[in-house]
Amino acid sequence: DADVTQTPRNRITKTGKRIMLECSQTKGHDRMYWYRQDPGLGLRLIYYSFDVKDINKGEISDGYSVSRQAQAKFSLSLESAIPNQTALYFCATSIGASRSDEQFFGPGTRLTVL
Amino acid sequence: GQQVMQIPQYQHVQEGEDFTTYCNSSTTLSNIQWYKQRPGGHPVFLIQLVKSGEVKKQKRLTFQFGEAKKNSSLHITATQTTDVGTYFCADPEAGNNRKLIWGLGTSLAVNP
Repeated sequence: DADVTQTPRNRITKTGKRIMLECSQTKGHDRMYWYRQDPGLGLRLIYYSFDVKDINKGEISDGYSVSRQAQAKFSLSLESAIPNQTALYFCATSIGASRSDEQFFGPGTRLTVL
Repeated sequence: GQQVMQIPQYQHVQEGEDFTTYCNSSTTLSNIQWYKQRPGGHPVFLIQLVKSGEVKKQKRLTFQFGEAKKNSSLHITATQTTDVGTYFCADPEAGNNRKLIWGLGTSLAVNP
């Protein structure tokens, strides 16, 4: 969906480096999510935010931090990247107000940590 | 905690054959959502089922929610190469939280 954008799309970095992945949305949704996807492990939730002042840890938050700079922006940081953080990272949004609450995903960021 | 089990993990079919993926939970599901992820792409919402026993169709795709709301299935009739991808089911958590509990997905390969 062009409404949810992620930058960069691909990133190769070295162990110990600080990395920030950015997500922006024009859908006007309150809820935003960061997932990582690894082969055979499906989608695992890292952090989620239901509004600008509400940030929550997901199932695998260790080694990650987030910042919700505005309703439209949600950034994921790896303070000191390690090789097992090599994965495909997705940002997603949802409206949060309806019973459906389907999630809309960005195109993903492929991160490689050497 | 809540878990959603999805089977099979992989399925390889000849074009024109049918395909079914199943999503099972030990607890009652509030609703069930289905997503499709094409190779190299991102998950895209397909449908949500809400009612016990609900059946919905989208062209060749038939989605079903079990009577006890503990299982769901996605059936594709006469698969095409455009059906290739990974199909995920996801359960919105009960209450106001509404994080999605994801199945691990079923990867479908279609031989032309």
